Amino acid sequence: AQKITQTQPGMFVQEKEAVTLDCTYDTSDPSYGLFWYKQPSSGEMIFLIYQGSYDQQNATEGRYSLNFQKARKSANLVISASQLGDSAMYFCAMREISSNYKLTFGKGTLLTVNP
Amino acid sequence: GAGVSQTPSNKVTEKGKYVELRCDPISGHTALYWYRQSLGQGPEFLIYFQGTGAADDSGLPNDRFFAVRPEGSVSTLKIQRTERGDSAVYLCASSSGVGLTYNEQFFGPGTRLTVL
Repeated sequence: AQKITQTQPGMFVQEKEAVTLDCTYDTSDPSYGLFWYKQPSSGEMIFLIYQGSYDQQNATEGRYSLNFQKARKSANLVISASQLGDSAMYFCAMREISSNYKLTFGKGTLLTVNP
Repeated sequence: GAGVSQTPSNKVTEKGKYVELRCDPISGHTALYWYRQSLGQGPEFLIYFQGTGAADDSGLPNDRFFAVRPEGSVSTLKIQRTERGDSAVYLCASSSGVGLTYNEQFFGPGTRLTVL
C-alpha cells in the first residue's frame, strides 16, 4: 500500500482565494511526522510546515495551515490568500520512527494560481 | 549561512559510464540523505548517513549504486555502468540530528543526471 497518497495531480485556484491540497497516509508507527514541501519549477525543495503525530493542535505557518485528522489519517495543506508565486508542485511526506527518519513522499500536486 | 550544495548541477553521460555526484551538507549537520526524483514523481529515498556510516542503504536500487561520507561531512554518490533508467534528479538533504521525528531536512538544488 502507498504510504502517502495525494489524489489530486493538479489543482487550480484564483489569486487571493484559499485552496486545500489533500494528503492521506498509512503507518502503524505510534510516532511519526508529516511534512509539506513546495517545489517550484526551479527544482529546490522548500519546507513549508510540519505536524507531529502527538501534536494536539493543527500546525500553522503564515498562510499555510495543516488540517490534521489523525483518525482519518489525513494531513491536508491549506493555503490561504493564494499568490501567483504559490504556483508549484506540492509534496506531502512522512517520517516514521521505524524507518530511520527518512522521508517518504507522495507523488505531488501541481498547483496553478490564476490571476 | 550556506545551504546544502550539490555538484554538478547537470550531468550528461553515456550508457555504461561511471558518474560521481557530490553533496556538501550544511556545516555541523550529522545526518545526510540521498533521494532520487524521477520525472513526475516525488523523491524516493536512497541512503542515509549518520556521521560517516551508512545507517540505512535500503533504498539503493542495486549494487551499481554506492555512496560514501568518509569524514562525516561531504558525501559522494557513485553510479557504475549507468543505464538510461538512472536518469533523474538526485537530491541530497541534511539535518542536524535524528533524535526526534521533527528534524527538518534541508534539501540541496539537486543534480540532474541524463544517461544517453
